[in-house]
Amino acid sequence: LAKTTQPISMDSYEGQEVNITCSHNNIATNDYITWYQQFPSQGPRFIIQGYKTKVTNEVASLFIPADRKSSTLSLPRVSLSDTAVYYCLVPSGNTGKLIFGQGTTLQVKP
Amino acid sequence: DTEVTQTPKHLVMGMTNKKSLKCEQHMGHRAMYWYKQKAKKPPELMFVYSYEKLSINESVPSRFSPECPNSSLLNLHLHALQPEDSALYLCASSNPTGTRGGGNEQFFGPGTRLTVL
Repeated sequence: LAKTTQPISMDSYEGQEVNITCSHNNIATNDYITWYQQFPSQGPRFIIQGYKTKVTNEVASLFIPADRKSSTLSLPRVSLSDTAVYYCLVPSGNTGKLIFGQGTTLQVKP
Repeated sequence: DTEVTQTPKHLVMGMTNKKSLKCEQHMGHRAMYWYKQKAKKPPELMFVYSYEKLSINESVPSRFSPECPNSSLLNLHLHALQPEDSALYLCASSNPTGTRGGGNEQFFGPGTRLTVL
């Protein structure tokens, strides 16, 4: 079964770029990689999703190397409001269900 | 309307009570999910409904009983819960695209904070 590994926590300062890397060694050929953000006592919110190379939207970029064994979420110029838990998800098992890993708690400081 | 609503926001119940959690979406999504989240832990998948049929049950105890009356509604019936069942219960919905993770972004509700005494 595919499993993800992320750093437990990261610190950053306002205005900096933050890169969070996720390892997913057993990802299947057709699987997409999805990232969610969660604030305390709220439901997770979709950030970005990708299959290969690079994907960019209005809030983040996702870099996926050719071997697809990892991916990196890039948040440009973070602000205090980006303090949250960030989860990397890949489909698991025959059903392709998405399983949340432990996530990365990002603390943005002034 | 890109919102998933959940009621109630908070629920306190005794171990002998029967209660229900409700979830509603009007985005036309045909997949709906229940997750359980304990403090400082990731959400844990409980059930998945696809086209109003239960497609995944993650070995959840029978004291949790899901129901999908129609494509917009999802209920979770609770009976004889234990204090360790206290958690944030999240509902989500998505379009079942048939691809593995592709294009089926899940929209989450704000959750129901459940306390079992």
